[in-house]
Amino acid sequence: KQEVTQIPAALSVPEGENLVLNCSFTDSAIYNLQWFRQDPGKGLTSLLLIQSSQREQTSGRLNASLDKSSGRSTLYIAASQPGDSATYLCAVKNAGGTSYGKLTFGQGTILTVHP
Amino acid sequence: DGGITQSPKYLFRKEGQNVTLSCEQNLNHDAMYWYRQDPGQGLRLIYYSQIVNDFQKGDIAEGYSVSREKKESFPLTVTSAQKNPTAFYLCASTPTQGYSNQPQHFGDGTRLSIL
Repeated sequence: KQEVTQIPAALSVPEGENLVLNCSFTDSAIYNLQWFRQDPGKGLTSLLLIQSSQREQTSGRLNASLDKSSGRSTLYIAASQPGDSATYLCAVKNAGGTSYGKLTFGQGTILTVHP
Repeated sequence: DGGITQSPKYLFRKEGQNVTLSCEQNLNHDAMYWYRQDPGQGLRLIYYSQIVNDFQKGDIAEGYSVSREKKESFPLTVTSAQKNPTAFYLCASTPTQGYSNQPQHFGDGTRLSIL
């Protein structure tokens, strides 16, 4: 059974700092990995999607990497801003077996960027 | 604008009562999903539907029921058999289910509490 873990559970940084959020998964048979942002009381917004054949994806100040063989992904946020404060979730899309096509989510990292 | 609309935003359930959460999308997506989110936990899949008049149980379907009579609508009923219904419920959709590299789009959620 696929399990996804995110470290740290919470992170507080001063504005302008570069930071890394970590995501690990136990079953490397994945189709893709996605990073989402969730603001308090809101739904999820897709940030980046990395296909299993890719190593990284970039969007603006965000860069996500994927090492499928070791079961790890990182989300790098450059020059953090207070507006980046939110919960960040990673999710893997499972390939094959009874979990076909389903997403398995981590528990999220709560990020606070203070001025 | 295209998107997913969930209603109501807040819902209260009395003992022994069934309640229905609404999810409507105008994205012309085939696949729709219901997730449950508890504090400090990732999202868990309740039910999903790949196409009209078809739906499948997710990981935590007990105490819930769904229908998919129209492409744009996927209502979730929380029955009295669900003994711990207090949670944040999220509806999502993708153009297709299964093996695809399309990110899931989410609504803004319904928060359900017990009276």
